[in-house]
Amino acid sequence: AAGVIQSPRHLIKEKRETATLKCYPIPRHDTVYWYQQGPGQDPQFLISFYEKMQSDKGSIPDRFSAQQFSDYHSELNMSSLELGDSALYFCASSLGTGSYGYTFGSGTRLTVV
Amino acid sequence: AQSVSQHNHHVILSEAASLELGCNYSYGGTVNLFWYVQYPGQHLQLLLKYFSGDPLVKGIKGFEAEFIKSKFSFNLRKPSVQWSDTAEYFCAVRVLNDYKLSFGAGTTVTVRA
Repeated sequence: AAGVIQSPRHLIKEKRETATLKCYPIPRHDTVYWYQQGPGQDPQFLISFYEKMQSDKGSIPDRFSAQQFSDYHSELNMSSLELGDSALYFCASSLGTGSYGYTFGSGTRLTVV
Repeated sequence: AQSVSQHNHHVILSEAASLELGCNYSYGGTVNLFWYVQYPGQHLQLLLKYFSGDPLVKGIKGFEAEFIKSKFSFNLRKPSVQWSDTAEYFCAVRVLNDYKLSFGAGTTVTVRA
């Protein structure tokens, strides 16, 4: 079965650089969520999109932005990277508001050096 | 604000021992409840979920959880653990008609052979 696809799997960037993370939901899922999981931390909700519109916003820094495209994939853009941005970023998708559950991707591990 | 509390940060036990992980949430309205497992280096995988009906929910890999509404709890149990159950376990809550999942801090379970 198709899963949530995230790319790249690993990314190394220097401070102040920009990174773009991509998330492809499973077919028919129209909602995408982004989470940040620091080392030994619980996943922190960043932002979500439903039908290409932002549906909820969590603790996402102003340096980050995201959008959902017409094919429902989403991109998380991160600028002026800081060492503290090093984390596992994973996305999840659902049909609507998650009443039927969520499917998680494997994540993108971002290391800022 | 909605919060999810997991009481145990790290649990160490031997194979065949019984496991119980506590989870409490703070929201008083209708919620959906989830337990996810994260094996080292892998993405979150759904163990079980509660939406409505029988408060005793059975999931994969022999796990079960009981929803006790009066205690705002959704504790995870497994009668006899295996070495392969070594992982991080996350409790998560979704408020009805909300989109995102809110996660607890996670419990690291180490099973010794």
